[in-house]
Amino acid sequence: QQPVQSPQAVILREGEDAVINCSSSKALYSVHWYRQKHGEAPVFLMILLKGGEQKGHEKISASFNEKKQQSSLYLTASQLSYSGTYFCGTEILGATDKLIFGTGTRLQVFP
Amino acid sequence: DAGITQSPRHKVTETGTPVTLRCHQTENHRYMYWYRQDPGHGLRLIHYSYGVKDTDKGEVSDGYSVSRSKTEDFLLTLESATSSQTSVYFCAISGNNEQFFGPGTRLTVL
Repeated sequence: QQPVQSPQAVILREGEDAVINCSSSKALYSVHWYRQKHGEAPVFLMILLKGGEQKGHEKISASFNEKKQQSSLYLTASQLSYSGTYFCGTEILGATDKLIFGTGTRLQVFP
Repeated sequence: DAGITQSPRHKVTETGTPVTLRCHQTENHRYMYWYRQDPGHGLRLIHYSYGVKDTDKGEVSDGYSVSRSKTEDFLLTLESATSSQTSVYFCAISGNNEQFFGPGTRLTVL
């Protein structure tokens, strides 16, 4: 039931782009994206709702393909501050009072 | 920042002892959650609450119980701690379509 994230890890130079994918086997109502820095709590980035449009946050945007139950997070022109572990959290249709999180994608950005 | 705190922040205990972790919020949110975070597993839901005295199980609820007697407090209890429960525990509250996480509790069971 846990969504699958890919890749598990990404290494970038500043200014490069990355895509993180999240795939569920269940019909979804929404997908949430969070970023967690080492030793800290996860922080909300954005939510994509069923029937909603693509969202954006600074140079980070995301899409939600309802038919495939997949979401992708796009990081463009990466900055050092983007380093951390990214988690997708999914709300399953019929059980929208809780999130099921993926196992995370570790992103490292170097100068 | 959302007003959510956890106590204790660190705890070391022996196998077989009971442990209670506390989550306190000042936001008056209805929904509260307990997660555990382990390397390679991400965040896994243990239990959650949708109101005072209203709770439900998550993915990994075995060995854990919860209680919520007031809106602001959500307690997680390990009745008899085991080494497999060594983990970082996060509490979260839900409002405006996002979850806000507490600072976490690092629990070590020896």
